[in-house]
Amino acid sequence: QVQLQESGPGLVKPSQTLSLTCIVSGGSISTGGYYWHWIRQHPGKGLEWIGYIYYSGTTSYDPSLRTRITISLDTSKNQLSLKLNSVTAADTAFYYCAGISGNYGDHIFDIWGQGTTVTVSS
Amino acid sequence: QSGLTQPPSASGSPGQSVTISCTGTSSDVGGYTYVSWYQHHPGKAPKVMIYEVSRRPSGVPDRFSGSKSGNTASLTVSGLQAEDEADYYCSSYAGSNKYVFGTGTKVTVL
Repeated sequence: QVQLQESGPGLVKPSQTLSLTCIVSGGSISTGGYYWHWIRQHPGKGLEWIGYIYYSGTTSYDPSLRTRITISLDTSKNQLSLKLNSVTAADTAFYYCAGISGNYGDHIFDIWGQGTTVTVSS
Repeated sequence: QSGLTQPPSASGSPGQSVTISCTGTSSDVGGYTYVSWYQHHPGKAPKVMIYEVSRRPSGVPDRFSGSKSGNTASLTVSGLQAEDEADYYCSSYAGSNKYVFGTGTKVTVL
């Protein structure tokens, strides 16, 4: 059973780059058919889709974040990462990585990590 | 893209039913059958309860059901149980390899 575990710095200063990683266990990140996503939840708000990377390396990002985001895979470490640059207080949120395995179709987030909190503050 | 609109809260007594709506547009909910619902207990990973509007993953009780009409999808939880108290989010494919989530509904079992 594939499991995800996010990690990150917890606190990031405004204008800096936020870097998060998501370790994939129980399966290979380069297994065909898997889409790996980042999703966030602002305090007291709903979920917000950030973007995904396909096992092949193809990416898709939310238009409002596209200019600041990079999602990448590190197959040697079996993990995916999120880099968000020029952060502001509006990027303070709980960040999840999630996966679409295809077991229930192509658009179902059936694998989730526990999430990691990020606070942007000086 | 804007988030899908859900009521902030819903409640019911044990054994009763609650229905949560999820309103989007013709570009997301109304345009695709890829609406899913997630149950989120604080501190835990979200769990998919319904996918493709009305299908249930294995292991999800049949008390959970989904439907869609036009740009609005709905999740119904019948025979409410204490363990159903959680936050619920809808999600929809929005075309062009994009996704959108709902604003979330807190379900309280009275």
